[in-house]
Amino acid sequence: GENVEQHPSTLSVQEGDSAVIKCTYSDSASNYFPWYKQELGKRPQLIIDIRSNVGEKKDQRIAVTLNKTAKHFSLHITETQPEDSAVYFCAASSQAGTALIFGKGTTLSVSS
Amino acid sequence: KAGVTQTPRYLIKTRGQQVTLSCSPISGHRSVSWYQQTPGQGLQFLFEYFSETQRNKGNFPGRFSGRQFSNSRSEMNVSTLELGDSALYLCASTQGGEKLFFGSGTQLSVL
Repeated sequence: GENVEQHPSTLSVQEGDSAVIKCTYSDSASNYFPWYKQELGKRPQLIIDIRSNVGEKKDQRIAVTLNKTAKHFSLHITETQPEDSAVYFCAASSQAGTALIFGKGTTLSVSS
Repeated sequence: KAGVTQTPRYLIKTRGQQVTLSCSPISGHRSVSWYQQTPGQGLQFLFEYFSETQRNKGNFPGRFSGRQFSNSRSEMNVSTLELGDSALYLCASTQGGEKLFFGSGTQLSVL
């Protein structure tokens, strides 16, 4: 089945710096790649997603890139702010297309 | 529109007992998925239901089961609880696509 690896597990940056989180997936049939943000004690929330027919997508300070050939995708956060501090999860759709398989998460800490 | 509702919010059980968790999806959403979240392991997929049918299942033992009712509400059951079952159990619904909307979860502690 699908397997998603996520790196790094923790990331500390200074306010204003950029942050990059990378994920790789195993199933070449996966065609949907969302990113979720989970603040402490709260539910995961979708922040951006990308489909396999698109190489890059941007929404204000966040962007996601996808390389289908290499089977990896990345989240880029520019001009980080303390409120960006959270756990970020990448995910890929399973072969059946009816489930999302998540990476183990990256804890991002933005210090001011 | 009300979000995904999970009950109860917290549960404390002892080893060997069984537990049932409930999830009410967003109105109009027919697909419900369940995930187990533990520190360091992220979100692990349990199963997904659509129109009362299990469409997909993760790699969990048979002690974990679920069902979905005609109104799309879903329940998850864990029998013969083990200490390692202590986790946050998250339910998520979707209208049929992949964008998952999560509930706040049920925090299960097994003593």
